[in-house]
Amino acid sequence: AQSVAQPEDQVNVAEGNPLTVKCTYSVSGNPYLFWYVQYPNRGLQFLLKYITGDNLVKGSYGFEAEFNKSQTSFHLKKPSALVSDSALYFCAVREMGQTGANNLFFGTGTRLTVIP
Amino acid sequence: DTAVSQTPKYLVTQMGNDKSIKCEQNLGHDTMYWYKQDSKKFLKIMFSYNNKELIINETVPNRFSPKSPDKAHLNLHINSLELGDSAVYFCASSQEGTGGRETQYFGPGTRLLVL
Repeated sequence: AQSVAQPEDQVNVAEGNPLTVKCTYSVSGNPYLFWYVQYPNRGLQFLLKYITGDNLVKGSYGFEAEFNKSQTSFHLKKPSALVSDSALYFCAVREMGQTGANNLFFGTGTRLTVIP
Repeated sequence: DTAVSQTPKYLVTQMGNDKSIKCEQNLGHDTMYWYKQDSKKFLKIMFSYNNKELIINETVPNRFSPKSPDKAHLNLHINSLELGDSAVYFCASSQEGTGGRETQYFGPGTRLLVL
């Protein structure tokens, strides 16, 4: 069984400070991991993904995420938060080798608010 | 150019009605999906479909049916709408075939309100 946990419903950070949005996962085999962002009244936009190789993945808008196999985590980070980063962030996991429905599992989302 | 588009953006209707939501992708992808996002923002897969296979999430009521006139379109038809169907429905697409590493690209969503 696959699952994703985003332990924080809400994260507040001051503009200019580093931000972290947490994600842990559970899969039977090796994972593919994704981060998406949803702005108000908009669809999900792809930020980055981990497939294989370097554990530190860089994505859009200055975001990065670090895959940690021992801790089964894939936390999203940014060195300096912008007010425009305020949005809903989703982590998702897919088990390597699987296709079709029921194979991309989303976390419950974390609402990031960057305070000016 | 919009990669994945959906129409309508908003849909307000009465209980018991039948409605359809259209989705089109111009990415040349071979697999399309429908997701439901509830009022708590939880995202759940409903269907995935490519030319060969429709995979249905077993929790989806049979009042929901995907219809694909061609590779670039996957429409969602809903019969006998219920209050609990009110949600945001997202279409997505990806190019499958290499074991799940592909990114799914999402449409802007259709907000359905059943009165």
